[in-house]
Amino acid sequence: AQSVTQLDSQVPVFEEAPVELRCNYSSSVSVYLFWYVQYPNQGLQLLLKYLSGSTLVESINGFEAEFNKSQTSFHLRKPSVHISDTAEYFCAVRTGANNLFFGTGTRLTVIP
Amino acid sequence: DVKVTQSSRYLVKRTGEKVFLECVQDMDHENMFWYRQDPGLGLRLIYFSYDVKMKEKGDIPEGYSVSREKKERFSLILESASTNQTSMYLCASSLPGLAGSYEQYFGPGTRLTVT
Repeated sequence: AQSVTQLDSQVPVFEEAPVELRCNYSSSVSVYLFWYVQYPNQGLQLLLKYLSGSTLVESINGFEAEFNKSQTSFHLRKPSVHISDTAEYFCAVRTGANNLFFGTGTRLTVIP
Repeated sequence: DVKVTQSSRYLVKRTGEKVFLECVQDMDHENMFWYRQDPGLGLRLIYFSYDVKMKEKGDIPEGYSVSREKKERFSLILESASTNQTSMYLCASSLPGLAGSYEQYFGPGTRLTVT
């Protein structure tokens, strides 16, 4: 069965510091991985995805994630966080023909 | 701009009431999903539908049913609400499989409180 594990439920970090949100996956089918972000009082929105090709994928707001097959990981990183990055981040993996399995989420709090 | 709307942002119901949560998407997507979101548990799939009048159980279907009479609308029904169904409910839609890159578009959520 396909699943993801997010190792940290909460990550506090100072503004302009780097951050890494960890995600490990298990999958017995072709691996498609996603990071979604949920800002306060909103639904989820796609941040970035890995389907194939380059193992390093980037978002428009400075986040990046690297697909690492040997370590079964898809960690999310940003070299310098901003207050507006405060949100909950969910890692997800494709499971089945149409579905995604979501992790339990990591709440990122950026401290001024 | 793609849009998924949910009928209510906040809802308070009494134990035993029948509750309807409505979701509408304007993207002509075949797939629609209902999740519940609870602290520490992430998103858990309740039901999904890949076509009109088709439905499939997700991971936690007990106590819920769904209806999809039109492509754009997917309803979640709590037949007899209970306090353990107090949660945030999220609706999502997507194109089928790789055609849509598995990307799901989410509504803003309905926070349901059952007293």
